[in-house]
Amino acid sequence: QQPVQSPQAVILREGEDAVINCSSSKALYSVHWYRQKHGEAPVFLMILLKGGEQKGHEKISASFNEKKQQSSLYLTASQLSYSGTYFCGTDGGSNYKLTFGKGTLLTVNP
Amino acid sequence: KAGVTQTPRYLIKTRGQQVTLSCSPISGHRSVSWYQQTPGQGLQFLFEYFSETQRNKGNFPGRFSGRQFSNSRSEMNVSTLELGDSALYLCASSPMSGRETQYFGPGTRLLVL
Repeated sequence: QQPVQSPQAVILREGEDAVINCSSSKALYSVHWYRQKHGEAPVFLMILLKGGEQKGHEKISASFNEKKQQSSLYLTASQLSYSGTYFCGTDGGSNYKLTFGKGTLLTVNP
Repeated sequence: KAGVTQTPRYLIKTRGQQVTLSCSPISGHRSVSWYQQTPGQGLQFLFEYFSETQRNKGNFPGRFSGRQFSNSRSEMNVSTLELGDSALYLCASSPMSGRETQYFGPGTRLLVL
């Protein structure tokens, strides 16, 4: 089943924070986060493994709650370059594939 | 290392025609996955190939097919095109499995008229 992302869209001003959530009905082995800018290919941000710790990448970090099959992506002090659509991809541990959510459109305005 | 390449980048076809899209993975990557992206639907998994074998297939009709060659390059084919097949088709490669970090190509934008 496709993971559910929330919110579907969010608009920020530069410097504001945002949280994007990803929820699955299945037990997860890992969660991947990608960002896609308009007209470009999705780009990998980070992966969170079952049993792993919270990951960070500059001002973008994420957490993974295995018991709830949920992951959250945290963007702090947002920059204009953070604008894009964020996708979570979930791995149920089999089937050689990731299942992606529908995405969250993040717009950062000056 | 060169990234994932896809050809062609844009295609316009008419209903009923067929189309073949090509993907060259990152050198050394043996797993190739294909996704269909349409507005509001995210990335829909089509299939994954490894060592010329399809290991998984998404929930798409049989008109969608693919193959992988011994050099890991992959093609996907859509026969009897329908208007609803208009989409961005993304190819992604990874070292061993579609469960790993996916490195995406720029995509092929297909418009069916």
